[in-house]
Amino acid sequence: DQQVKQNSPSLSVQEGRISILNCDYTNSMFDYFLWYKKYPAEGPTFLISISSIKDKNEDGRFTVFLNKSAKHLSLHIVPSQPGDSAVYFCAASVEGSQGNLIFGKGTKLSVKP
Amino acid sequence: DAGVIQSPRHEVTEMGQEVTLRCKPISGHDYLFWYRQTMMRGLELLIYFNNNVPIDDSGMPEDRFSAKMPNASFSTLKIQPSEPRDSAVYFCASSFLAEKQFFGPGTRLTVL
Repeated sequence: DQQVKQNSPSLSVQEGRISILNCDYTNSMFDYFLWYKKYPAEGPTFLISISSIKDKNEDGRFTVFLNKSAKHLSLHIVPSQPGDSAVYFCAASVEGSQGNLIFGKGTKLSVKP
Repeated sequence: DAGVIQSPRHEVTEMGQEVTLRCKPISGHDYLFWYRQTMMRGLELLIYFNNNVPIDDSGMPEDRFSAKMPNASFSTLKIQPSEPRDSAVYFCASSFLAEKQFFGPGTRLTVL
């Protein structure tokens, strides 16, 4: 039973356009959400996070949106660059769980020049 | 900072052999996590430590798996005996704030 779901295993976008990666969750107790990026043969690296008290968090080209009523979050990358090509993982946790992150299975983003 | 260091990067072993994976967390971090990544199950938390003490090992699949953290700068994940279904990439991560974890490069384990 997946508590964090990334239903699109892959996404292809043209350089300069917007990339939108989606994530759904089922556990209403989740109150902290993160996105990680992973290149081949490397470990995941933290990208951006959002607390459940917010509905948007922005960091440069990356923006995460949270819709609590729909139990949905999304990561927007604008503009997309070829170096953004990687696997993106959505993760969620419950406050007080001391870092017990539940990860989605990832979406592979390909940004074509 | 060197980041989280894992060794070996690749391990090929035969079924029944003991496998030991090693991790050096980032200095000053008080949480350490062990994950396993497979195609079928994605990235799963196996166990995590806080200040060298195991907090939650509910993700450890079987008694064949064990993890230790003898001090703040070193942890091991041991599989004894290993089986082909243990083949996966094993990641170690550390953090100061529990959620923002920094991952090592992983150990790719192949059990023949």
